[in-house]
Amino acid sequence: SAVISQKPSRDICQRGTSLTIQCQVDSQVTMMFWYRQQPGQSLTLIATANQGSEATYESGFVIDKFPISRPNLTFSTLTVSNMSPEDSSIYLCSVLTNRDREGLYRPDTQYFGPGTRLTVL
Amino acid sequence: QKEVEQDPGPLSVPEGAIVSLNCTYSNSAFQYFMWYRQYSRKGPELLMYTYSSGNKEDGRFTAQVDKSSKYISLFIRDSQPSDSATYLCAIQGSGSARQLTFGSGTQLTVLP
Repeated sequence: SAVISQKPSRDICQRGTSLTIQCQVDSQVTMMFWYRQQPGQSLTLIATANQGSEATYESGFVIDKFPISRPNLTFSTLTVSNMSPEDSSIYLCSVLTNRDREGLYRPDTQYFGPGTRLTVL
Repeated sequence: QKEVEQDPGPLSVPEGAIVSLNCTYSNSAFQYFMWYRQYSRKGPELLMYTYSSGNKEDGRFTAQVDKSSKYISLFIRDSQPSDSATYLCAIQGSGSARQLTFGSGTQLTVLP
């Protein structure tokens, strides 16, 4: 499976500021996604990060608030803009790959990064 | 109706117990079924993956899918305190709709 790293692992930010979260994968993957997990909640898909084109956003999420870049097949960024306390959450990068832990081909499976814990004061 | 419904828990069992975690889904177009385990302050970890009806076993874990009933289960045998985590079922479509839809998660505590 792909090894996924995220930076920063956590941050505390002031209201009205913006934070950019980076996601790096150790191998080329088919698709990359960004999820949000609010305290005590399950995961909600924010958008699919498309390489070389605009991200595809889910209902309730917009580019002005969550701009996403994916300049190549192994890297993506998510920016949380003009933050408010309601944006306090864990933000998770996820990748779709067709390799399992042993490197064998299998139907596409999603793996997750460790997450970025964001607190907005 | 949510696309994926999961027993909310929390669930607390003694060490060595058999644990049963369950989800139902509404869209028959879903083809792939996963269970993720999430420890506190960590990202979800893929635990089991299946795409057909029936059982799939991996060590102490068994994933069961019944497509006719749109029902999936995860069984944990001989549960250990290290199994204490939140378990999330996830359903995936095919083709261009390969994003995951998650259940709400069940928090499991295995008491020593």
